Amino acid sequence: AQKVTQAQTEISVVEKEDVTLDCVYETRDTTYYLFWYKQPPSGELVFLIRRNSFDEQNEISGRYSWNFQKSTSSFNFTITASQVVDSAVYFCVLGQRAGTASKLTFGTGTRLQVTL
Amino acid sequence: GAVVSQHPSWVICKSGTSVKIECRSLDFQATTMFWYRQFPKQSLMLMATSNEGSKATYEQGVEKDKFLINHASLTLSTLTVTSAHPEDSSFYICSAREHRPTGILAKNIQYFGAGTRLSVL
Repeated sequence: AQKVTQAQTEISVVEKEDVTLDCVYETRDTTYYLFWYKQPPSGELVFLIRRNSFDEQNEISGRYSWNFQKSTSSFNFTITASQVVDSAVYFCVLGQRAGTASKLTFGTGTRLQVTL
Repeated sequence: GAVVSQHPSWVICKSGTSVKIECRSLDFQATTMFWYRQFPKQSLMLMATSNEGSKATYEQGVEKDKFLINHASLTLSTLTVTSAHPEDSSFYICSAREHRPTGILAKNIQYFGAGTRLSVL
């Protein structure tokens, strides 16, 4: 069975601070995908990043960066110089490999509050 | 690109009535769409996978006759909550996965609609 654990339920930071959201996953698939989605108060889910299980290279995209460690089944997400508009619930998501129905398993979410 | 439109965004209905929610991919074709349910301050739970031209695949514990799904075209899937009751009140979200021709790796990214908040009185 697939499972995603986001141990942090809520995080509060002051604007311009860096913040890291933790994610640990479980799967028996050898090929899979990992995502981070953001859900602002409006409710819409916004796609942020995607990672393939066979590519452990970590990257930076603007203020976002991620640390994918297959050995520890972790996929942490960092926002640099946080802004008030970053306030939202962030979901770490595990997806089955391509060619299947691509079912997603969501973590429980981490609520990020960025204040001035 | 990759916009998914969901309508209505908010609906209130009386107990016993049926409600239809539409999910459209506006600028891409989606052979597969997904329907999720989200309770307040909780995560998304997959209800069913909707495949164009075939029957939907429901997750364990989801009543097929209660939540009717139709995926009539590559850009439209509908979810009908039949004989709605107060316990069906929830936030329903659809997503669509972009179709890729054979031989091209799928992006495997699901794009989500803005959700529909259903309140059953």
